[in-house]
Amino acid sequence: AQTVTQSQPEMSVQEAETVTLSCTYDTSESDYYLFWYKQPPSRQMILVIRQEAYKQQNATENRFSVNFQKAAKSFSLKISDSQLGDAAMYFCAYSRDDKIIFGKGTRLHILP
Amino acid sequence: DGGITQSPKYLFRKEGQNVTLSCEQNLNHDAMYWYRQDPGQGLRLIYYSQIVNDFQKGDIAEGYSVSREKKESFPLTVTSAQKNPTAFYLCASSIGLRPDEQYFGPGTRLTVT
Repeated sequence: AQTVTQSQPEMSVQEAETVTLSCTYDTSESDYYLFWYKQPPSRQMILVIRQEAYKQQNATENRFSVNFQKAAKSFSLKISDSQLGDAAMYFCAYSRDDKIIFGKGTRLHILP
Repeated sequence: DGGITQSPKYLFRKEGQNVTLSCEQNLNHDAMYWYRQDPGQGLRLIYYSQIVNDFQKGDIAEGYSVSREKKESFPLTVTSAQKNPTAFYLCASSIGLRPDEQYFGPGTRLTVT
């Protein structure tokens, strides 16, 4: 059963603007990690940002930040000042037991 | 430079043949993973291993086999029993048994005709 849902298969954003990618997940655990991975055309998977579920403060990495709503099991990624190099597939994921479970991804297009 | 290597980048095989994909890491990570990626499917876990000489099935293990004879190596064999073997295969590793981050190799594109 799919336990990570990315409801937006594709999105587009104008260069320099802000875009938010959504993700919901399903877990009964209280302690876990959440991730956003980026996969550019090279297909190399790159960790963008990580959130520990027991931390209430939202993680940020430069232009990337998350909105973590634990009760709602929601973990969205906000990209500010979008750049052409941000064009990629973005995968939401969470750690469950000894594995990481991935969503199906959102393809992000950056419009010049 | 530490990292994960997968070879080759592209692999072509005839239907009915077994093929082995290589994955090597020099990060001294305990756990290693194999994923399959198909368009619109995200990453699906095939097999994973947390220690040498031990491994567990993931969600789509049928038609695949693995070995973990050395900590740094985790080869994946795609057998002739795998009905749809053409896909992109990614290898990953993590430091501990409960992954707080996974590091990925560059992947191998397997085409079976």
